[in-house]
Amino acid sequence: QSALTQPASVSGSPGQSITISCTGTSSDVGNYNLVSWYQQHPGKAPQLIIYEVTKRPSGVSNRFSGSKSGNTAALTISGLQAEDEADYYCCSYVGSEAFDYVFGAGTKVTVL
Amino acid sequence: QVQLVQSGAEVKKPGASVKVSCKASGYTFTGTYIHWMRQAPGQGLEWMGWINPNGGGTKYAQKFQDRVTMTTDTSIATAYMELSRLRSDDTAIYYCAKYSGFDYFFDRWGQGTLVTVPS
Repeated sequence: QSALTQPASVSGSPGQSITISCTGTSSDVGNYNLVSWYQQHPGKAPQLIIYEVTKRPSGVSNRFSGSKSGNTAALTISGLQAEDEADYYCCSYVGSEAFDYVFGAGTKVTVL
Repeated sequence: QVQLVQSGAEVKKPGASVKVSCKASGYTFTGTYIHWMRQAPGQGLEWMGWINPNGGGTKYAQKFQDRVTMTTDTSIATAYMELSRLRSDDTAIYYCAKYSGFDYFFDRWGQGTLVTVPS
C-alpha cells in the first residue's frame, strides 16, 4: 500500500504555530472525511489527537487542530510547547479490498 | 481505564512464526474490533488487519494475507496476531489498537512488541 506523504521533519520555536501536511489521493484522503492523526513520543505507543479530520478527543489540547482540502489533510499545532516534540502520523480510511487504512510515513516535530 | 497490554519482545529465526498477544481491560472486549499495525525501524506505520472478537471475523491486508492469522480468546479478553514464515524485513514493532467503534479511528493502542528476525 502506498503511504500518505508527510514532510520528514518540521520545526518551530516555542509559542509558534506549525503545520504538517498529509497528501494522499482521491481514493483515500480525498474520498473520505476519515483522516486521523496520532502523536508518538519516543518509545511510546501512538496516541490519537485528531479524528474525522477536525475533531479532538476529550483531553487533547485545543492547540491541535485539523483540516483538509482535496487530497491533502493538515495538522496545525499552535502555541508550540516543548512537550509537543514527537513524531506525528496521519491515517486515512481506504476501505479497499487490499487494505482498509493507510498511514503517512511520519513527521518529526522539533521544538527549537 | 481502557488498557491494551502486549506480550514481550521476541527474537525469531527466518522461516519461524511469532505469536503476539494483546490483553484488553477497561471496556467490553467483544464490543469492538482489534486492529494490528506494525512499524519497521525508522519507518511509518503499516496496517495489517482486524479481528472482530464477537464472532472472530477477520480482514487482513492483502500483503499479509497468506502469512498472518488473528485470533481472540474472549474468556481472557486477549487478542493474538501470528505471523508465519518470518523474514528479516518483518523486524518491526507490532501494535494492537482498539477500534473506536465508529468513524474509523483507533482510540487506544498497546505499548508495542518488538519482533526481531536477524538476517
